[in-house]
Amino acid sequence: AQSVTQPDIHITVSEGASLELRCNYSYGATPYLFWYVQSPGQGLQLLLKYFSGDTLVQGIKGFEAEFKRSQSSFNLRKPSVHWSDAAEYFCAVGDNDYKLSFGAGTTVTVRA
Amino acid sequence: DTAVSQTPKYLVTQMGNDKSIKCEQNLGHDTMYWYKQDSKKFLKIMFSYNNKELIINETVPNRFSPKSPDKAHLNLHINSLELGDSAVYFCASSQGEAETQYFGPGTRLLVL
Repeated sequence: AQSVTQPDIHITVSEGASLELRCNYSYGATPYLFWYVQSPGQGLQLLLKYFSGDTLVQGIKGFEAEFKRSQSSFNLRKPSVHWSDAAEYFCAVGDNDYKLSFGAGTTVTVRA
Repeated sequence: DTAVSQTPKYLVTQMGNDKSIKCEQNLGHDTMYWYKQDSKKFLKIMFSYNNKELIINETVPNRFSPKSPDKAHLNLHINSLELGDSAVYFCASSQGEAETQYFGPGTRLLVL
């Protein structure tokens, strides 16, 4: 069964600074990988996804993520965060059987 | 023109009551899901339907019964509500397996 680990429960970053959120997955085959963002009191919005091909994927809101098979990682990055990026970020791995497994999430706080 | 919608957005009820949450998607997807997000924000899949057929049924009490009247709707009925059922319930949809899942805004259920 697949699983996802997000090692950082909470990250605080200054506005304008760079952000990196870590995600490690466990899955026997080639994974389908996703990053979702959840703003306070809102649903989940897809930031980006990796299915195959180029290991560096670009998403919305200036986010990107890099798939590294050797490290079983799919870390999310943003060069310069905005106050509106404060939210909960979830990494998820999917399989061929419809099931999506989520990590525990990382809370991002942005300070002025 | 919300893609995945849920009603109600908030639901406060007493223990022992029976309640339903409705979900509708207008994306033309053939697969719909119910997820539960607990107080620690951990997301776990409960059910999945593909073309009105149940394909995923995780370890969920049988007090929870999903119903899919058509491909665009997946409702969740909960009997004899318990305090531990308090959570945010998310509906999602996708076009088939291993495809991006699009989430609704969530239904915040509080059982008193």
